[in-house]
Amino acid sequence: AQSVTQLGSHVSVSEGALVLLRCNYSSSVPPYLFWYVQYPNQGLQLLLKYTTGATLVKGINGFEAEFKKSETSFHLTKPSAHMSDAAEYFCAVGNAGNMLTFGGGTRLMVKP
Amino acid sequence: EPEVTQTPSHQVTQMGQEVILRCVPISNHLYFYWYRQILGQKVEFLVSFYNNEISEKSEIFDDQFSVERPDGSNFTLKIRSTKLEDSAMYFCASTRQGVAYEQYFGPGTRLTVT
Repeated sequence: AQSVTQLGSHVSVSEGALVLLRCNYSSSVPPYLFWYVQYPNQGLQLLLKYTTGATLVKGINGFEAEFKKSETSFHLTKPSAHMSDAAEYFCAVGNAGNMLTFGGGTRLMVKP
Repeated sequence: EPEVTQTPSHQVTQMGQEVILRCVPISNHLYFYWYRQILGQKVEFLVSFYNNEISEKSEIFDDQFSVERPDGSNFTLKIRSTKLEDSAMYFCASTRQGVAYEQYFGPGTRLTVT
């Protein structure tokens, strides 16, 4: 069975500050890892993904994440937060059956 | 850019009634999924569908649920006799063959059971 833990259900940063959203996973096989963003009243939009190869992956809107196998982590970062980044962020792991297992989500708030 | 669409955006129904949630996946996608998100909780996998049959389902997807691809474009989720605890946002997703893990999600249908 696979699982995802997102530390911090709410994260608040000031505009221009570093964004760090934490994700740890458990998987019995090499994982496929994803970050999705959900804006209010909208569906889930893929930010970035890790499948194989380079462990630092870049996504849309200036976000990136690094796969660290030794730490079973896939933390999401952005050097400088923007007001438009306020949303809920979900980390997910894909398994052999193609289903995604999601973490509980982290709501990012950006203060002016 | 192609996108997954879902109708209706909001469905209110009485307990015990049947509901059908509809999805139009991206046209060249071959794998289809339903997820749900109860208010304030995580997104949960319900079922995956490929080649006109269910490929995987969760324990949530019991006999009250069914899925169908009635034509070449629609993908539906039916709940036969709704319960209060079925109230949730239901998301449809689809992927292209060969990139099965990059799932594209629709905007969701909010189901309210009263």
